Amino acid sequence: AQSVTQLGSHVSVSEGALVLLRCNYSSSVPPYLFWYVQYPNQGLQLLLKYTTGATLVKGINGFEAEFKKSETSFHLTKPSAHMSDAAEYFCAVSNFGNEKLTFGTGTRLTIIP
Amino acid sequence: DAGVIQSPRHEVTEMGQEVTLRCKPISGHNSLFWYRQTMMRGLELLIYFNNNVPIDDSGMPEDRFSAKMPNASFSTLKIQPSEPRDSAVYFCASSSSGTIPGQYFGPGTRLTVT
Repeated sequence: AQSVTQLGSHVSVSEGALVLLRCNYSSSVPPYLFWYVQYPNQGLQLLLKYTTGATLVKGINGFEAEFKKSETSFHLTKPSAHMSDAAEYFCAVSNFGNEKLTFGTGTRLTIIP
Repeated sequence: DAGVIQSPRHEVTEMGQEVTLRCKPISGHNSLFWYRQTMMRGLELLIYFNNNVPIDDSGMPEDRFSAKMPNASFSTLKIQPSEPRDSAVYFCASSSSGTIPGQYFGPGTRLTVT
């Protein structure tokens, strides 16, 4: 069985500050890990993903995430927040041979001007 | 390339009516997923298809819900009869199984049942 825990359902950061959204996963097999972003009244958009290889993954809009097996984590970061980053962010896990995604409950990111 | 296409984008209907939601996956993708999103329950997987065959429908809430995928480029989710508690945003997503991990979502259909 797989599961995802996103710590903090709401995160607020000032414009220009570091964004850190936390994701921990549980998986009995090597995981595939994903971050999705959902802007208001839109569908989920794939930000980045880790499957194999390099553990630091870069995505769109300046976001990146690092897979840390020892910590079972896949935290999402961005060095400098922009107003346009305000959205809901979902972490998800699957694995090879299993297309189903298990989603976290989401983190709503608010940017303070 | 066009992404996942869903129609209608908004649907308002009265309780007891039949509702049909439509989805066109990304060309070349062979897996299709239907999700429901509400404030109370978050994002729920309803059903998914692989090569047009339903693989897992354990998330379908009850017999009022049914889904079909008659060909690789089209799927429907039907609710009959609809109830107010079915009000939600319904998303369709597609993926290419065995090649590139990750699902690609459509814009969703916002369903309101009065």
